[in-house]
Formats: sequence, structure tokens, C-alpha cells
Amino acid sequence: EPEVTQTPSHQVTQMGQEVILRCVPISNHLYFYWYRQILGQKVEFLVSFYNNEISEKSEIFDDQFSVERPDGSNFTLKIRSTKLEDSAMYFCAGTLSNQPQHFGDGTRLSIL
Amino acid sequence: AQRVTQPEKLLSVFKGAPVELKCNYSYSGSPELFWYVQYSRQRLQLLLRHISRESIKGFTADLNKGETSFHLKKPFAQEEDSAMYYCALSGHYGNKLVFGAGTILRVKS
Repeated sequence: EPEVTQTPSHQVTQMGQEVILRCVPISNHLYFYWYRQILGQKVEFLVSFYNNEISEKSEIFDDQFSVERPDGSNFTLKIRSTKLEDSAMYFCAGTLSNQPQHFGDGTRLSIL
Repeated sequence: AQRVTQPEKLLSVFKGAPVELKCNYSYSGSPELFWYVQYSRQRLQLLLRHISRESIKGFTADLNKGETSFHLKKPFAQEEDSAMYYCALSGHYGNKLVFGAGTILRVKS
């Protein structure tokens, strides 16, 4: 069964540095998402992406965050200047229009 | 407001005992409801969605619109059911998922 792949599995970054989290969705998916889970808290929606543009974003997804799908396969989340509170597990997900979302294994982001 | 409430952080049962993981939701409209499961060190996996009305691994969940609930049930728990269970809703397919806080199910032998 095809899977959503996320890299790296763990990223350690200094505060203030830029970080890019990568996801390779399942090839026939059309909708793409990023979620995050701060340790001990619930999974929170960040952003959804459809037809090469953001379709919805949460209040967490401020100007420090951006997403793109540069080559039709990779789906990336960039945090421009990381803060300590960005430390979390970040999950990528994808779906067709009438199917449940499929999740990747997640990237653990640790900001020092 | 869209909200999913899972009142129990931890549910501990003995093997063979019945299990009920509670989920209540708040949504103005008709949401899609899901249960996702996360086994130790694995990804979030879909367990059930309400429109399919099927039983997966012995688990069932019925949407009760009057009580705005989507409780997950299994008549006889197995040790391999031990995992984190998340209830989630979506406005419709293609929309974001709103998750509950999750319930850890621990099945003791």
C-alpha cells in the first residue's frame, strides 16, 4: 500500500534558524495538509493545500510559515525563523476528494 | 465552533473486557466523523469513519446526532489494541480534520 513519506524523522535546529520539513504524498492525492502536535497536546491543523494554493490555514500558520509543492511531488513546510514554541511533531497528510486522510510518520522538530 | 472532546486521557481495561472510548463533538452542520489510531512509534492510521458503518478489528462506532457523540466500542479487548485513539471530525472530505485530545487505551493481561 502506498504511503506518505516524511523527512527527516528528527530535526534539531537553533532558534532563529530556518527549517524545511519535507513530505512526499501519495501520488494520486489532491489535497495536502500539515498538522502539528506539541508534546502532551492535541493534533492541530496548520494548513491545507489544493490546486497549488493554500485553501485554508489556521491562526497558528502566521507569516513565519509557508508551504509549497515545487515539483508536483514534494510538499514542504518552511518555518522562516524558528522559535522555541515551534518544537513539536509535524505531520503531513493527503487525500483524494472523497477519502479519509492518510498521514506520514511525522517529523520531530526540536528547537534549541 | 468545531470541537471534539475525548473526556478520558487514559482507559485501562483487562483483556477480554468491553471497551468504550468516548467522543463528543460540536459542529454546526453534518460533519464526517473518524477514529484514528496510533500504535506505539507508528503513524496515525484510520480505524473507522462513520459513513462506512463497518467493523474494523472488532471496533464499531455509531454516530448519535442527538447526543452529538461518536463513541468507539469493542466487546472484548485484546492486548494488541493498546494504543492512542483519536476521534476527529471534518466538514466534508477535503476539509481539515479537527482532533480530540486522544485517549490512551491500555489493555492488561
